Amino acid sequence: DVKVTQSSRYLVKRTGEKVFLECVQDMDHENMFWYRQDPGLGLRLIYFSYDVKMKEKGDIPEGYSVSREKKERFSLILESASTNQTSMYLCASSRGGLGNEQFFGPGTRLTVL
Amino acid sequence: RKEVEQDPGPFNVPEGATVAFNCTYSNSASQSFFWYRQDCRKEPKLLMSVYSSGNEDGRFTAQLNRASQYISLLIRDSKLSDSATYLCVVNQAGTALIFGKGTTLSVSS
Repeated sequence: DVKVTQSSRYLVKRTGEKVFLECVQDMDHENMFWYRQDPGLGLRLIYFSYDVKMKEKGDIPEGYSVSREKKERFSLILESASTNQTSMYLCASSRGGLGNEQFFGPGTRLTVL
Repeated sequence: RKEVEQDPGPFNVPEGATVAFNCTYSNSASQSFFWYRQDCRKEPKLLMSVYSSGNEDGRFTAQLNRASQYISLLIRDSKLSDSATYLCVVNQAGTALIFGKGTTLSVSS
């Protein structure tokens, strides 16, 4: 059974803190993605990676960075959290071409106070 | 830039009803198309791919009209368990999937 896991289901941080969100997949997928999902705005792509140490900006990369040191792990970093980064963060992975089915993790609900 | 547009709904239907969702996409070079389902407070999951010839999976039928650049999802004999948000998803060559904002369906007894 395919599996994408995220390090936390709920996270509360303070403005200015550095925040790490971890995602691990066990399907040996090449591609990994980070999205945020907000009411009325849908899923918005932050960053994606198609190979180890490779990363590409999505639609809303500002205020975020990513790291992919190993194939199975993709980290999202908020260098200095702000209240407008309060959101649901979803990680996904897919094999091969970028247009293939994506498998999502359960999400991390991040609140920045 | 609205690459994938869906009617957000909500669509409120009784059990047993037939309901249809439409989705339009802006880029004529789009190559592959999907419907994902997202239950409340859960992650999105693939419901079905959409093929040029149209395809059916039980009570669900997906169709693609490339000339008019729209995709549809038909649900027959709606069940309470069909209540969810349905996301239209489009892919262009060399890019990540593009998700619509979703259409919410509520099926009541």
